[in-house]
Amino acid sequence: QKEVEQNSGPLSVPEGAIASLNCTYSDRGSQSFFWYRQYSGKSPELIMFIYSNGDKEDGRFTAQLNKASQYVSLLIRDSQPSDSATYLCAGPLRGGSARQLTFGSGTQLTVLP
Amino acid sequence: NAGVTQTPKFRILKIGQSMTLQCTQDMNHNYMYWYRQDPGMGLKLIYYSVGAGITDKGEVPNGYNVSRSTTEDFPLRLELAAPSQTSVYFCASTRQAVNQPQHFGDGTRLSIL
Repeated sequence: QKEVEQNSGPLSVPEGAIASLNCTYSDRGSQSFFWYRQYSGKSPELIMFIYSNGDKEDGRFTAQLNKASQYVSLLIRDSQPSDSATYLCAGPLRGGSARQLTFGSGTQLTVLP
Repeated sequence: NAGVTQTPKFRILKIGQSMTLQCTQDMNHNYMYWYRQDPGMGLKLIYYSVGAGITDKGEVPNGYNVSRSTTEDFPLRLELAAPSQTSVYFCASTRQAVNQPQHFGDGTRLSIL
């Protein structure tokens, strides 16, 4: 079982809609999670991180962490065509001693104008 | 405000050739990482380092070597290039404190023919 798994998509939403991206993890001891956005041909860019149960909001982005159910989600409100990218969920590598992260395979999001 | 800088951006190698991918960061981060990303896939950790003089293997180290003589630099060496090493390579760094995100360079796109 992969440590971090994402619904692989691809996901298409119309402009202005809410995009919901999900990620599950296997290590109950994981404390913090990161969402990265990656445009085609570019490097991953951090957009959100969360390390406590509940919601964390930053502009149009909301990250949700549910430790009991072991899932992390990212909601993008009022989706824009510029949000079209691959979104990578990352969590701590089990047994990692050097802040290693393990990444999901990504969810490709397309926002249709 | 350079962050993490990788060179070269693109390279084509012949099978059996060797090369070094350069990575330098100016944020005084202790931890540095090398990832590879194959098309449509997430990031796989090749090697990492927790400080000058200290390196360790990640998930997919075979065919690669690293060194860390300074805090700033973390080069990745391919000794005998193979077609399976065709990929995009990302270098990242982070601070030692917990819950810190990794900052990525722009990547090196490498093709082995």
